[in-house]
Amino acid sequence: DTEVTQTPKHLVMGMTNKKSLKCEQHMGHRAMYWYKQKAKKPPELMFVYSYEKLSINESVPSRFSPECPNSSLLNLHLHALQPEDSALYLCASSRPGQGFRRFFGPGTRLTVL
Amino acid sequence: QQQVKQSPQSLIVQKGGISIINCAYENTAFDYFPWYQQFPGKGPALLIAIRPDVSEKKEGRFTISFNKSAKQFSLHIMDSQPGDSATYFCAASSGGGSNYKLTFGKGTLLTVNP
Repeated sequence: DTEVTQTPKHLVMGMTNKKSLKCEQHMGHRAMYWYKQKAKKPPELMFVYSYEKLSINESVPSRFSPECPNSSLLNLHLHALQPEDSALYLCASSRPGQGFRRFFGPGTRLTVL
Repeated sequence: QQQVKQSPQSLIVQKGGISIINCAYENTAFDYFPWYQQFPGKGPALLIAIRPDVSEKKEGRFTISFNKSAKQFSLHIMDSQPGDSATYFCAASSGGGSNYKLTFGKGTLLTVNP
């Protein structure tokens, strides 16, 4: 299995809602990432988990809360988002020592109304 | 501060032609230079990558040329096909362990006309 899966594919939420994005990989990768991508822009790193521990938080607002329940799963909890948070949210994973080789999921297209 | 500069922003090529995308970097600590390909509605996928001690790497129709002294690298797509139409990101990686960073260029939208 060489896939990173993400659910849901699309999500529409109001500014007062609480929702979660889910990411899963079964490649044995011990680094997992959340990225945000706006249209016609490169992916922008949000969080890095290494061996299930949060190692990098790129000054992301607290309305985004990551969680890594185990080595295969990564969640991103969303609360009180703003319309400008609408974007494609990508999950990725990589092997230790091969951080340049990131396996990206298809993303969740998030719209905040 | 953009550490990897990519050009052009967009590129239109006829089927069968050669597509060339260029990138430049400043940080000499980068240890790998990957290229990612992204189709609409999909996540980026690693296409090809090169180490800075190698001047060229070829995989099928895709070739990376690397010029360490000029701090530049480029992607050449030979015999370009409509199916190659996508956004291409050059990138550069550095660091180690949990602090392994991947810096992306701004991307090039390639359109290959039939």
